[in-house]
Amino acid sequence: AQSVTQPDIHITVSEGASLELRCNYSYGATPYLFWYVQSPGQGLQLLLKYFSGDTLVQGIKGFEAEFKRSQSSFNLRKPSVHWSDAAEYFCAVVFMNRDDKIIFGKGTRLHILP
Amino acid sequence: EADIYQTPRYLVIGTGKKITLECSQTMGHDKMYWYQQDPGMELHLIHYSYGVNSTEKGDLSSESTVSRIRTEHFPLTLESARPSHTSQYLCASSEDSYEQYFGPGTRLTVT
Repeated sequence: AQSVTQPDIHITVSEGASLELRCNYSYGATPYLFWYVQSPGQGLQLLLKYFSGDTLVQGIKGFEAEFKRSQSSFNLRKPSVHWSDAAEYFCAVVFMNRDDKIIFGKGTRLHILP
Repeated sequence: EADIYQTPRYLVIGTGKKITLECSQTMGHDKMYWYQQDPGMELHLIHYSYGVNSTEKGDLSSESTVSRIRTEHFPLTLESARPSHTSQYLCASSEDSYEQYFGPGTRLTVT
């Protein structure tokens, strides 16, 4: 079955530390991949997207993500987090044979320690 | 910066009341979506529209209804609110199906 999984419900890192949020999908081909961020009480903002080409994608706010076909993964990274990065992060996938609808993962809540 | 608006941002209402959640976008996008999101949970698509006079139900069954009379406007209506409708409702729009722009959401509480 086609699915998207974010294995970590919560992650806590110290300010200034590096960050990696995991995302895996189950699909027979390469889907379109996205990372969104949601601050408390707000809607979702697109951080970055991957359709094809270079597997390392740069996004806004200093985030990047790497698509690894062999691992069916699209992990989000940031070399040094800031307190303002505390938010909920959603990986999202478009499977081409599902009427192009976006499927969202359950999200990972990021906590930042001062 | 995306220009998509939702009103009200917060609504507390009694059981049995009729409510309409407003969503407007100024980007001229044909595609619009409504998602329901419970606290700490993923988004579930409840309605979508690919253009004027086009509406479809999403993956999550919902007692709400939508209309799309104008490109920029995609309101969601609950004829008789119940406590089970308490949730956050997010509206989004897109030019194609792949990059969606989200409004700030409406947090609905039904008492």
